[in-house]
Amino acid sequence: EPEVTQTPSHQVTQMGQEVILRCVPISNHLYFYWYRQILGQKVEFLVSFYNNEISEKSEIFDDQFSVERPDGSNFTLKIRSTKLEDSAMYFCASRRGDSTYGFFGQGTRLTVV
Amino acid sequence: AQTVTQSQPEMSVQEAETVTLSCTYDTSESDYYLFWYKQPPSRQMILVIRQEAYKQQNATENRFSVNFQKAAKSFSLKISDSQLGDAAMYFCAYNAQAGTYKYIFGTGTRLKVLA
Repeated sequence: EPEVTQTPSHQVTQMGQEVILRCVPISNHLYFYWYRQILGQKVEFLVSFYNNEISEKSEIFDDQFSVERPDGSNFTLKIRSTKLEDSAMYFCASRRGDSTYGFFGQGTRLTVV
Repeated sequence: AQTVTQSQPEMSVQEAETVTLSCTYDTSESDYYLFWYKQPPSRQMILVIRQEAYKQQNATENRFSVNFQKAAKSFSLKISDSQLGDAAMYFCAYNAQAGTYKYIFGTGTRLKVLA
């Protein structure tokens, strides 16, 4: 069964460094999402992406965050200058054009030290 | 704005017994999906069951079933014959059939299964 794949599974970075989290959505999916889950808290929506544009973003998704689909298969989340409070689990999700719900990847655990 | 509320931070159940996890939500939309996701210690999000709001029949998946009360905006998960492997965080989630179809999650219920 096709699945959403995220790499790396765990990344440790120094505060102030840039990180790029990578996702390979399911191949025929057209809509892409990033969610964040701080340890012990609920999963929160960050951003949705369609047709090479952000279609919606939350208040969490500030200027430190950016997303892109650089090569038609990967979908990336970049954090420019990481802060300690960016430490969280980041989930990618994708959805077909004719489907009304998405599929989640296994997540990337980001630890900022 | 849509909200999802899980009022039980933690629940316990004896192995082989039945447990019900509660979820309420608030929305002005008429068309939406509701989900229960399981999150084991690995923190992967595993879909347990989903319910389309337009369907009156409650969804079932093996030992998992829901009690969907649309008028009351309630969506509880019943786990029958609980197994040790059911121990995890369970998140209720809402997905409006409009806009960007983003998920809105509740705060989760930690389920402990006692041997």
